[in-house]
Amino acid sequence: GESVGLHLPTLSVQEGDNSIINCAYSNSASDYFIWYKQESGKGPQFIIDIRSNMDKRQGQRVTVLLNKTVKHLSLQIAATQPGDSAVYFCAEKAAGNKLTFGGGTRVLVKP
Amino acid sequence: GAVVSQHPSWVICKSGTSVKIECRSLDFQATTMFWYRQFPKQSLMLMATSNEGSKATYEQGVEKDKFLINHASLTLSTLTVTSAHPEDSSFYICSAVSGGAIGELFFGEGSRLTVL
Repeated sequence: GESVGLHLPTLSVQEGDNSIINCAYSNSASDYFIWYKQESGKGPQFIIDIRSNMDKRQGQRVTVLLNKTVKHLSLQIAATQPGDSAVYFCAEKAAGNKLTFGGGTRVLVKP
Repeated sequence: GAVVSQHPSWVICKSGTSVKIECRSLDFQATTMFWYRQFPKQSLMLMATSNEGSKATYEQGVEKDKFLINHASLTLSTLTVTSAHPEDSSFYICSAVSGGAIGELFFGEGSRLTVL
């Protein structure tokens, strides 16, 4: 079946540096993508989204890039802070508002 | 922003008993809610789509008789894990759709079930 996957399971980054989290998706019909942050023992928290008619979208300290040619999605976090330590998931929209989640990347921010 | 509440946040039960988890949309009406299951260090896996006033739609491989879902009102969906076994121990997360747009999808804080 269709799936969304990530390249790196764990990313260690120095505080203040930029973080880049990658995600590959396989369903070329997906038209909407979301990045979520999940802290331990909590539900996913919406970070940023992007539709397939865009290739870049910026938020506060975060940027999502979409490359439909290679079915690749990335999340960039600028000036990573200790509070950014969490697991990050990409998700793609399937039919009927259902989301398919990627495997997740743990971001560890070193002081 | 919209808030989705789950209760209980954690529960411990004995094998063979049933456990009910509630998912409430606190400040909006949700005709559709989703139930996910998450094992440690793994991603969220969709279990079922809960539709207000109708039967839930289960994903392939999810036992509908074991995971009973009821969406009796526009603000409440419940997931009942029947005859729980240790392998049912997991983090159960619900989400609710507000306004019908996928961008307005809100997640609950999750409910951790431990079956002894």
